[in-house]
Amino acid sequence: DMKVTQMPRYLIKRMGENVLLECGQDMSHETMYWYRQDPGLGLQLIYISYDVDSNSEGDIPKGYRVSRKKREHFSLILDSAKTNQTSVYFCASSIQGTEVFFGKGTRLTVV
Amino acid sequence: GDSVTQTEGLVTLTEGLPVMLNCTYQSTYSPFLFWYVQHLNEAPKLLLKSFTDNKRPEHQGFHATLHKSSSSFHLQKSSAQLSDSALYYCALSPSNTNKVVFGTGTRLQVLP
Repeated sequence: DMKVTQMPRYLIKRMGENVLLECGQDMSHETMYWYRQDPGLGLQLIYISYDVDSNSEGDIPKGYRVSRKKREHFSLILDSAKTNQTSVYFCASSIQGTEVFFGKGTRLTVV
Repeated sequence: GDSVTQTEGLVTLTEGLPVMLNCTYQSTYSPFLFWYVQHLNEAPKLLLKSFTDNKRPEHQGFHATLHKSSSSFHLQKSSAQLSDSALYYCALSPSNTNKVVFGTGTRLQVLP
């Protein structure tokens, strides 16, 4: 069963706290992504990972960092979360030029 | 750079009427084009993908035609259903990279 799994699904954090969003995939895809989704802005790419320890900034990387130590696992870290990072975060994976598979998303609220 | 433009934020129409959602793109390299659909509280999932041999992709009554001359990949359906109400994203993937760029999305609202 091809799947991208995100944990947690819902998260509430205080401003200034650190946040860790976890993502796993069981398809051995080389490429993984983190997007955030905001009304009217669509899906904005935060980071893309081409394989283990091969990560590149996307369009909105400021305030975020990522870690990929295993091909099947890709983490998004927010050091000192800000209220404007309240959003829905989607992890995804793909093979070049083919379908992108999305996780169910993590709804993060920073208060 | 690579970009996707969806000019309509919201499209509202009555069940049974035809659907057309606009998508234009810019890309240096000949890209693959996609349509993704996201129903409420769900993840986006693939609806259609352009073919390299100019065949017209179809799925669930939807189809899209890639026009390289006008850099467009509009999504169409002959008769809208209530269950088609969702957020639709046009996306591209340049042929030389794994990066996928999404448009801002068009919300389709089908009314009875």
